[in-house]
Amino acid sequence: DSGVTQTPKHLITATGQRVTLRCSPRSGDLSVYWYQQSLDQGLQFLIHYYNGEERAKGNILERFSAQQFPDLHSELNLSSLELGDSALYFCASSSSLWGDTLHFGNGTRLTVT
Amino acid sequence: DQQVKQNSPSLSVQEGRISILNCDYTNSMFDYFLWYKKYPAEGPTFLISISSIKDKNEDGRFTVFLNKSAKHLSLHIVPSQPGDSAVYFCAASATSGTYKYIFGTGTRLKVLA
Repeated sequence: DSGVTQTPKHLITATGQRVTLRCSPRSGDLSVYWYQQSLDQGLQFLIHYYNGEERAKGNILERFSAQQFPDLHSELNLSSLELGDSALYFCASSSSLWGDTLHFGNGTRLTVT
Repeated sequence: DQQVKQNSPSLSVQEGRISILNCDYTNSMFDYFLWYKKYPAEGPTFLISISSIKDKNEDGRFTVFLNKSAKHLSLHIVPSQPGDSAVYFCAASATSGTYKYIFGTGTRLKVLA
């Protein structure tokens, strides 16, 4: 158990809809990262938050947004969903801003129909 | 632009033998590298890391080698065990303030009993 909690585990929704994925980092971790893994592909970096502030952005679509709250949990919002957004979404946390090990949650599997 | 590449999508090795997983990177600013293992329906789990000031790091059956001039790293697993069967991802980052970890596409290792 990595200590990183992601909810929900599975999400099935229709095109055009909006969903929110939630991540609770390990106790004490200040950094939260979001990754997308499409079918049998690598982990695509989406965004990194540290102590409530956005610190790095990857190939995140404009339809996607994220935030980290004062209690350090994070949410990834996906809107105007398309079939191609179907993927596993992973959250990872680490204790520092940089140069540290990432601890991953078990992911949220999103299916857009 | 795939900055971190794992050119072998899959690898099969006999139990007890050595498994060698390879990873190439293109960004010369990368100076911290990690290997993760992923089982189905779980998040990636950290295995071992190496910083660019070293060329080798060992942890039990796992050894990572870094060749900076070739921009290449490899993970050696000796001896390989059936429980090592999983997808292995390498990841790279730069301490120049980019605050993100770039992952390769993964290599599926199958250890045959």
